[in-house]
Amino acid sequence: DAGVTQSPTHLIKTRGQQVTLRCSPKSGHDTVSWYQQALGQGPQFIFQYYEEEERQRGNFPDRFSGHQFPNYSSELNVNALLLGDSALYLCASSLIGYGYTFGSGTRLTVV
Amino acid sequence: ELKVEQNPLFLSMQEGKNYTIYCNYSTTSDRLYWYRQDPGKSLESLFVLLSNGAVKQEGRLMASLDTKARLSTLHITAAVHDLSATYFCAVGFSATNKLIFGTGTLLAVQP
Repeated sequence: DAGVTQSPTHLIKTRGQQVTLRCSPKSGHDTVSWYQQALGQGPQFIFQYYEEEERQRGNFPDRFSGHQFPNYSSELNVNALLLGDSALYLCASSLIGYGYTFGSGTRLTVV
Repeated sequence: ELKVEQNPLFLSMQEGKNYTIYCNYSTTSDRLYWYRQDPGKSLESLFVLLSNGAVKQEGRLMASLDTKARLSTLHITAAVHDLSATYFCAVGFSATNKLIFGTGTLLAVQP
């Protein structure tokens, strides 16, 4: 049973560019959440998708947007990249009310 | 705003010694999670604590929860080098599936 799959694993982008990160949830999970983890810090909640809609959002600007597809997979888009967006981006899938499974993350470096 | 604080932030300990990591949170929650993270890696789930007085143990790690004090502890018994990692607590809410992470505790076990 595959767990949470994220792609790509590493990415280098230039300031001002746009990036799309992808996540396939664990089989049977219907909810996908995205977290940003800057170096030396705990993960920060970006947003959560359920039934193809954004259900909750953390304290992140509108440059961060997402999407969930009918097969429950999800994308995280970040526009107008800043140096401060450099981080490990983690996807977590779950069933509402149950535990989480985290993916291995995408390491984004903005130069 | 919910705050989750861990202490200590950094812990250097000798093999064979015991120590406790503390996790304090500022608002009522119905579940508390502990995760382990190795450098550059994703989050590994250790424990989920669902009720006041809950205690769970796995190997040399034992976690407990006091919901009245809004405090969880992760106790390490007879530390070994393989336990070296960063440990995070996270407060969860069953209605929303959103996690708020603590600041993390970097544990270094010296031979």
